[in-house]
Amino acid sequence: DVVMTQSPLSLPVTLGQPASISCRSSQSLVSSNGNTYLTWLQQRPGQSPRRLIYEASNRDSGVPDRFSGSGSGTDFTLEISRVEAEDVGIYYCMQDTHWPWTFGQGTRLEIK
Amino acid sequence: EVQVVESGGDLVQPGGSLRLSCSVSGFTFSNYWVSWVRQAPGQGLECVATINPDGNVKFYMPSVMGRFTISRDDAKNSLYLQVDSLRAEDTAVYYCAVDFRYWDQGALVTVSS
Repeated sequence: DVVMTQSPLSLPVTLGQPASISCRSSQSLVSSNGNTYLTWLQQRPGQSPRRLIYEASNRDSGVPDRFSGSGSGTDFTLEISRVEAEDVGIYYCMQDTHWPWTFGQGTRLEIK
Repeated sequence: EVQVVESGGDLVQPGGSLRLSCSVSGFTFSNYWVSWVRQAPGQGLECVATINPDGNVKFYMPSVMGRFTISRDDAKNSLYLQVDSLRAEDTAVYYCAVDFRYWDQGALVTVSS
């Protein structure tokens, strides 16, 4: 199975400051069709997960442009340019290139 | 408006069965891979089964192989998960996820005597 490793696991951030979450996979996430199936999910307290980014760098409609995804191969990053109070929650990276699809452990973002 | 609504969560005894159903509206369901993702209390996410748009490719986590069955009915815009031989470790909130873009509210399955 592909192991997804996120860091940090806890991320205290001051409002208005940037935040960055790293996600590394144990093998390349480039699919045979050339696409990279790396997804970032946000789970606010008490809510279902919500997709923010797909295929490593594509922002979903309705997702604020302060969220961005980057990376390739085995190294990926989610960046929030200016953290707002509504960003509190757990962020997961997930790969659906190789079955079983696997998730990172989650990064808990909190406001300092 | 996109809606994904799940039903079927319940308290079940070990060895028991139930069927989770997920109904979608507001988009073309038949175009997408659909998955069941579970989250044990206080834990992370785990994808237990997935099915392709044609319904002829299904993948299962080893821990549920032979006990869980995923299926879809595109005419009804619905996804199902038949869960049999339930174990205590299957206790979790189960989510239906369409392309991991659309998620439902989750259904709690508790396996306990």
